[in-house]
Amino acid sequence: EAQVTQNPRYLITVTGKKLTVTCSQNMNHEYMSWYRQDPGLGLRQIYYSMNVEVTDKGDVPEGYKVSRKEKRNFPLILESPSPNQTSLYFCASSFVGQGNTGELFFGEGSRLTVL
Amino acid sequence: GENVEQHPSTLSVQEGDSAVIKCTYSDSASNYFPWYKQELGKRPQLIIDIRSNVGEKKDQRIAVTLNKTAKHFSLHITETQPEDSAVYFCAASNGYQLIWGAGTKLIIKP
Repeated sequence: EAQVTQNPRYLITVTGKKLTVTCSQNMNHEYMSWYRQDPGLGLRQIYYSMNVEVTDKGDVPEGYKVSRKEKRNFPLILESPSPNQTSLYFCASSFVGQGNTGELFFGEGSRLTVL
Repeated sequence: GENVEQHPSTLSVQEGDSAVIKCTYSDSASNYFPWYKQELGKRPQLIIDIRSNVGEKKDQRIAVTLNKTAKHFSLHITETQPEDSAVYFCAASNGYQLIWGAGTKLIIKP
């Protein structure tokens, strides 16, 4: 089954404790991206990647890191989480074509709470 | 950079009536405009999209119109049903970065 898998789905952590949210897709998509969703603010892009070893900042990259060592995986790293990073996080992937990304396939989301 | 404004933030319609959600964008180079639907507790899913070389696109009860001169595009849902209740997001892109509207919560009243 074609899917984007995120883990963990739910996490409560404390300020400053490094964490990683994993994202994996099995559709051989070139493009992968991380978003955070907060009430009233819609979806804001954190980082995106056009292909292996290629990553770019989105709208809200501060406090986050990513890596794209393999095509299928795009982990999101919070080196020193703070309470303002409490949010719902989505990973998404798509093929690339016609000068744009195609349909974005989203993971189920990871709800992160930083105390 | 691109900015996308979406209105209204909440829309309540009677079941069976039509719903219209509007978005405006700022970058005249934007050429791809998708709409995503997010049901409560679920992930966003693409429902329809349009490219700048097309003025209108329909898929059963859903249609999207694009006015490049005015830089706005709209989602039209006809004969609304309870399962249309969700948050709808518009987005605009001129390359590989989508800029999203803030979302519209659509409520279908029985």
